[in-house]
Amino acid sequence: DAGVTQSPTHLIKTRGQQVTLRCSPKSGHDTVSWYQQALGQGPQFIFQYYEEEERQRGNFPDRFSGHQFPNYSSELNVNALLLGDSALYLCASSNSDSLNQPQHFGDGTRLSIL
Amino acid sequence: RKEVEQDPGPFNVPEGATVAFNCTYSNSASQSFFWYRQDCRKEPKLLMSVYSSGNEDGRFTAQLNRASQYISLLIRDSKLSDSATYLCVVNKITGGGNKLTFGTGTQLKVEL
Repeated sequence: DAGVTQSPTHLIKTRGQQVTLRCSPKSGHDTVSWYQQALGQGPQFIFQYYEEEERQRGNFPDRFSGHQFPNYSSELNVNALLLGDSALYLCASSNSDSLNQPQHFGDGTRLSIL
Repeated sequence: RKEVEQDPGPFNVPEGATVAFNCTYSNSASQSFFWYRQDCRKEPKLLMSVYSSGNEDGRFTAQLNRASQYISLLIRDSKLSDSATYLCVVNKITGGGNKLTFGTGTQLKVEL
């Protein structure tokens, strides 16, 4: 039973570029949430997808967008990259029937902006 | 004020010690609560859920006080392998979805 998988593991980009990160949820989960974790901080909620729609959004600019596919996998897109976007990007999955339950995290994508 | 505030770290304790972490949250509409553990440069992993009645998992005991909006984690007989960052997490359900809010984490170092 595969857990949450994310790709790529590491990525290096330059300012102004665009990036797409990918996530496959744990088997049986239909909801995907994305978080940004800067060094020395706790993860910060970016947004959540369910039924291919954005259901919740945190305090992130429109440069951050996402998508969910019919197989529940998801993408996080960031445009016009800034140095401050350097962080660990975490994907978490859960089941919409159990929103009170904990979310399960993937290994994350470490994004470095030069 | 941050939505979730945790004890400042790091906590450096000898092996076998008992250590307690505290956390407060500001949103009284929060519905569920967790402690996650995060090792260096790894993803957060669920340690345990936290209930008002208190719950125990081996050497770990978690407690929630909804009236005070306060969450605690107690680790007894610390092991070297307990060294990690402990994240206090609050879950709020709204608008057909939910959102986890994390504290900044408390670093624990267990030493020989």
